[in-house]
Amino acid sequence: ETGVTQSPTHLIKTRGQQVTLRCSSQSGHNTVSWYQQALGQGPQFIFQYYREEENGRGNFPPRFSGLQFPNYSSELNVNALELDDSALYLCATGGGSDANYGYTFGSGTRLTVV
Amino acid sequence: TQLLEQSPQFLSIQEGENLTVYCNSSSVFSSLQWYRQEPGEGPVLLVTVVTGGEVKKLKRLTFQFGDARKDSSLHITAAQPGDTGLYLCAGPGSSNTGKLIFGQGTTLQVKP
Repeated sequence: ETGVTQSPTHLIKTRGQQVTLRCSSQSGHNTVSWYQQALGQGPQFIFQYYREEENGRGNFPPRFSGLQFPNYSSELNVNALELDDSALYLCATGGGSDANYGYTFGSGTRLTVV
Repeated sequence: TQLLEQSPQFLSIQEGENLTVYCNSSSVFSSLQWYRQEPGEGPVLLVTVVTGGEVKKLKRLTFQFGDARKDSSLHITAAQPGDTGLYLCAGPGSSNTGKLIFGQGTTLQVKP
């Protein structure tokens, strides 16, 4: 148990649909990051939220969007799903915007787009 | 563009053998982290190395950060089946966004 909870654990969606993934942290860190991990690859940074504001974004299109709430829980929304969006989506929390000291990851949401 | 390349990508060994996984870059990183990920789980942080030349030990695992802070290695002594998993190195991106850049990972299989 890492203290970072993601839901749902698995999800199957049809191409063109929209999906919302959720993340919550027991410790209430003010930073949350989202990563996409394709099968057999390392995670790719999608974006980070710090105190409810987007703090940085990776090379992902605008149809990937997020929210962070006052209780520091977070959502990742993906619109107009494509087959290539099939991946493990990971949420990570840390103590701030400094990535030097590592993050705590949730177990992820496995998204399959058919 | 900052990239981290890991080698080998896949390693299958017998219990009791030693192994080394490498993580290399042409860029300087302020720190490097090693994570271990099991199927169906998220990565779990093993160690962070910060100082060039630093060596850290975690039981049978030894981590080293290169003097120039462009590379790192993970050495496992007397591997056990419980060491099986995906090993990932990661480093902070150059912009202050909290972004972590990951290598593609090394899948380790330790056979009993």
